[in-house]
Amino acid sequence: NAGVTQTPKFQVLKTGQSMTLQCAQDMNHEYMSWYRQDPGMGLRLIHYSVGAGITDQGEVPNGYNVSRSTTEDFPLRLLSAAPSQTSVYFCASSSRHSGSHEQYFGPGTRLTVT
Amino acid sequence: DAKTTQPPSMDCAEGRAANLPCNHSTISGNEYVYWYRQIHSQGPQYIIHGLKNNETNEMASLIITEDRKSSTLILPHATLRDTAVYYCIVRLDSGAGSYQLTFGKGTKLSVIP
Repeated sequence: NAGVTQTPKFQVLKTGQSMTLQCAQDMNHEYMSWYRQDPGMGLRLIHYSVGAGITDQGEVPNGYNVSRSTTEDFPLRLLSAAPSQTSVYFCASSSRHSGSHEQYFGPGTRLTVT
Repeated sequence: DAKTTQPPSMDCAEGRAANLPCNHSTISGNEYVYWYRQIHSQGPQYIIHGLKNNETNEMASLIITEDRKSSTLILPHATLRDTAVYYCIVRLDSGAGSYQLTFGKGTKLSVIP
């Protein structure tokens, strides 16, 4: 299993540009989520999904859209990038059939908005 | 979810036990204690979790006080590879809340040769 994969690893955007951060998992996990991590801080939840076709907002959803058309993929879209969205973005997945609900994290996407 | 309080940093000599404390005085009866760690720039990694009994796995031990208001993560023989930020998280055990993690700033553990 590849686990949780994220692309790209690094990205530089200009203010106002749009882009999609990709996240995929091959573990057939129902739950997927997106977090952002600013320097010196813990992770903050952006959006999450408990299954295909179902998404909901986390702590800091503004400026981001998500969709979940398949179990495997959970892309994060930035519609109009702002410097405040400069951060490291982590995707995670977990199985509701796991007693621990352990979350598996991807390697992250480092985004800079100038 | 209950808030947690952790010291910002700790040092530990290589080969010694690392004891990382966490206070969660407002924890409720259906909330679990989870520990994750984040090695420099990588995604967080699950370590262990528990409700009220002490737990042990191949990575660490988790000691939860009887009143559940605090816990300690123990790495029995710390190595340089254990240098990381350790997060103590309290989380609901059911519904959508059981999947949502609230990360604080954690404890930066430095293992010293």
